[in-house]
Amino acid sequence: AQSVTQLDSHVSVSEGTPVLLRCNYSSSYSPSLFWYVQHPNKGLQLLLKYTSAATLVKGINGFEAEFKKSETSFHLTKPSAHMSDAAEYFCVVSENTGFQKLVFGTGTRLLVSP
Amino acid sequence: NAGVTQTPKFQVLKTGQSMTLQCAQDMNHEYMSWYRQDPGMGLRLIHYSVGAGITDQGEVPNGYNVSRSTTEDFPLRLLSAAPSQTSVYFCASTRAGGIRTGELFFGEGSRLTVL
Repeated sequence: AQSVTQLDSHVSVSEGTPVLLRCNYSSSYSPSLFWYVQHPNKGLQLLLKYTSAATLVKGINGFEAEFKKSETSFHLTKPSAHMSDAAEYFCVVSENTGFQKLVFGTGTRLLVSP
Repeated sequence: NAGVTQTPKFQVLKTGQSMTLQCAQDMNHEYMSWYRQDPGMGLRLIHYSVGAGITDQGEVPNGYNVSRSTTEDFPLRLLSAAPSQTSVYFCASTRAGGIRTGELFFGEGSRLTVL
């Protein structure tokens, strides 16, 4: 079965500094991977996706992620954090077990201080 | 653009009571699903539907029923609420091929407390 592990439950950064949210995956074949963002009291929104095309994927609001098969990682980065980036971020893998299913990580809460 | 609309946003129930969480989408999406979100556990799939009249179980279906009589609506029923069902519930939808590309559209959630 597919799974994802988000290595940090909380990440704190200062505004203007880089963001790194870490995600490792486990998959028996080439996976599709996604990052979703959830702002407080809101639903989840797709941030970016990797579906076996380019390994460096660009998303909304300046975020990007790199698929590294050798390291089984799909870390999310942003060069400069903004206060509005404060949210919870979920790494997600697509699993095909007869029906298509998304498997969510446990989430990383990003805190941005002035 | 309404997107995915969930009602109610908040609900408090007593153990043993029943209720229905409503979900409606106006994007003509074939696929609809219900997730629950619990602290430290991410989102877990409860039930899903690939079209009107077709539903199936996800990974945590016990205690919940669903039906899909129209493309737009996908209600989630709690038959006899238990404290373990205290959670935030999300409805999500996508087009027929969207689940393969992970493009789910989420509602804003329904926070349920069972006393």
